[in-house]
Amino acid sequence: KNEVEQSPQNLTAQEGEFITINCSYSVGISALHWLQQHPGGGIVSLFMLSSGKKKHGRLIATINIQEKHSSLHITASHPRDSAVYICAATDFQGAQKLVFGQGTRLTINP
Amino acid sequence: NAGVTQTPKFQVLKTGQSMTLQCAQDMNHNSMYWYRQDPGMGLRLIYYSASEGTTDKGEVPNGYNVSRLNKREFSLRLESAAPSQTSVYFCASSRDSGETQYFGPGTRLLVL
Repeated sequence: KNEVEQSPQNLTAQEGEFITINCSYSVGISALHWLQQHPGGGIVSLFMLSSGKKKHGRLIATINIQEKHSSLHITASHPRDSAVYICAATDFQGAQKLVFGQGTRLTINP
Repeated sequence: NAGVTQTPKFQVLKTGQSMTLQCAQDMNHNSMYWYRQDPGMGLRLIYYSASEGTTDKGEVPNGYNVSRLNKREFSLRLESAAPSQTSVYFCASSRDSGETQYFGPGTRLLVL
């Protein structure tokens, strides 16, 4: 069983819809990261959070430490949001490496 | 600032050949990482360097070696390439371990 699980694996929606991607983790973590991988392959960090909620433009990330769960929301989705969204947890131990989920492929149709 | 740069962008090797993937960052980051990404597997850590002068194995280190040449540069070497090493390789850096990581554009490697 992966230590970081994402759902759904694939998500297709229409432009304008509210999008939610979920991430559950089983390890003790010091932080939770959300990353975006563009269709061209580049990877960009969107958020790093250890509690509560963060917002950047139309993207919102939340985390519930007790439930070991995080969500990434996209409001008013747009075709340019189409990408793979990756959740990663920084473990407490050692050098605090990232443990990655398998990613959620999001497609927004016009 | 260029951020994290990687060379080459694409490489084809024959089984048994060797090569070095280069990575450099200009953000004065202490920590650097090498990952591989395979379909359906997600990103997996090969090696990392928490700070200049140190390197440690990640999840999938077999068949690879690394050198943290200086604070800026972290190279990944395949001594004898195998088809199982066909993958996309990403280098990343962060100010310190556990902090936001910045990724390079990736190197697509095909081993025949």
